[in-house]
Amino acid sequence: AQKITQTQPGMFVQEKEAVTLDCTYDTSDQSYGLFWYKQPSSGEMIFLIYQGSYDEQNATEGRYSLNFQKARKSANLVISASQLGDSAMYFCAMRDVYNQGGKLIFGQGTELSVKP
Amino acid sequence: EAGVTQFPSHSVIEKGQTVTLRCDPISGHDNLYWYRRVMGKEIKFLLHFVKESKQDESGMPNNRFLAERTGGTYSTLKVQPAELEDSGVYFCASSRRVAGNNEQFFGPGTRLTVL
Repeated sequence: AQKITQTQPGMFVQEKEAVTLDCTYDTSDQSYGLFWYKQPSSGEMIFLIYQGSYDEQNATEGRYSLNFQKARKSANLVISASQLGDSAMYFCAMRDVYNQGGKLIFGQGTELSVKP
Repeated sequence: EAGVTQFPSHSVIEKGQTVTLRCDPISGHDNLYWYRRVMGKEIKFLLHFVKESKQDESGMPNNRFLAERTGGTYSTLKVQPAELEDSGVYFCASSRRVAGNNEQFFGPGTRLTVL
């Protein structure tokens, strides 16, 4: 069965510094997709970044980058130049590409606090 | 375009009562998903509609939960009768397709508290 593990319940980072949020996954599938979502205190889930299992380059979206290490089954999120508005819950998720429905499997989340 | 909307934002009910949650997906999105996050735990998949049909309901916890998607537009999730362990945040998400980078757009969630 597929599983996502986020081992950091909470993280602190100083404003303007970079931070890495860990995510490891377990799957026997060869083709899959990995996502990161942000959930601020307002509650909505905001899509941040996507990495396909066959993508050779790490995904980047502005200040977000995904450190994808396929052999280690890790997909860590790196946020550069942290801002106060980055304080939120962050969820790593996986989708089975061949699953007809495309449902997402989530980790337990990491709560990031950015200090001024 | 308008995002995914959910109603109500909060609901507090007593054990044994019935509650109906509503989700309006983004217009044109055939795929609609329900997820739930119980306090402190991961977000779990409940079910997936493609238009009005249930594609995958493997995550539905038991027969106290009934989901419908009338005419392939909005969806409702009814809990009857509600139990204490049903408390949590219920998210709805929609996507245009399921292949590739099918970003699922999430609604703000409904926080359900069963007393």
